[in-house]
Amino acid sequence: QVQLVQSGAEVKKPGASVKVSCKASGYTFTSYDINWVRQATGQGLEWMGWMNPNSGNTGYAQKFQGRVTMTRNTSISTAYMELSSLRSEDTAVYYCARVVFWSGSYGMDVWGQGTTVTVSS
Amino acid sequence: EIVMTQSPATLSVSPGERATLSCRASQSVSSNLAWYQQKPGQAPRLLIYGASTRATGIPARFSGSGSGTEFTLTISSLQSEDFAVYYCQQYNNWPPRGWTFGQGTKVEIK
Repeated sequence: QVQLVQSGAEVKKPGASVKVSCKASGYTFTSYDINWVRQATGQGLEWMGWMNPNSGNTGYAQKFQGRVTMTRNTSISTAYMELSSLRSEDTAVYYCARVVFWSGSYGMDVWGQGTTVTVSS
Repeated sequence: EIVMTQSPATLSVSPGERATLSCRASQSVSSNLAWYQQKPGQAPRLLIYGASTRATGIPARFSGSGSGTEFTLTISSLQSEDFAVYYCQQYNNWPPRGWTFGQGTKVEIK
């Protein structure tokens, strides 16, 4: 079945970086874009950015420009999101999601299970 | 950045009743709007895209309407499994830049 499986929970110190992986299976990885979305505890969803796994093209929310990097390894159907200069406010669950396109409309139809990143000294 | 504002923050509804959730955009997003449902401890689930088209497998009791800056998600007869948080999200550009979500509406049992 179509699924995205993310890497496990991380605990990082302020100022460090974290790299979360998202492995796709059940479909052609390079045929669908990937978004990254995060959610702090008890808070709403926050869109972080986008990557085209075929071309490697990316686009980031202005808030994360300069701190986030989205990459992929097509040989293992895996997308990555790296966030640097971590601060306590980055403590959240990070999700990857597949983007589908239907007649000019978009939606994130398959989501990873989420990766908890905790930033604490 | 386009700001999405949802109302109300919390909606108390009895099972079997109708629920109407609102989402307003700070500028026109045409019909470039999706709705997601999220239950505690779970990832979001796509319900509606293109403002009014149900995603695969979504029951007919869920319907979306609106365009421009005003959107509505209606659940015609609430089932126990529908109590959750609902988010609207605009995708008014491609490739994506500045996609934004509303802050969510929690639908709780009255």
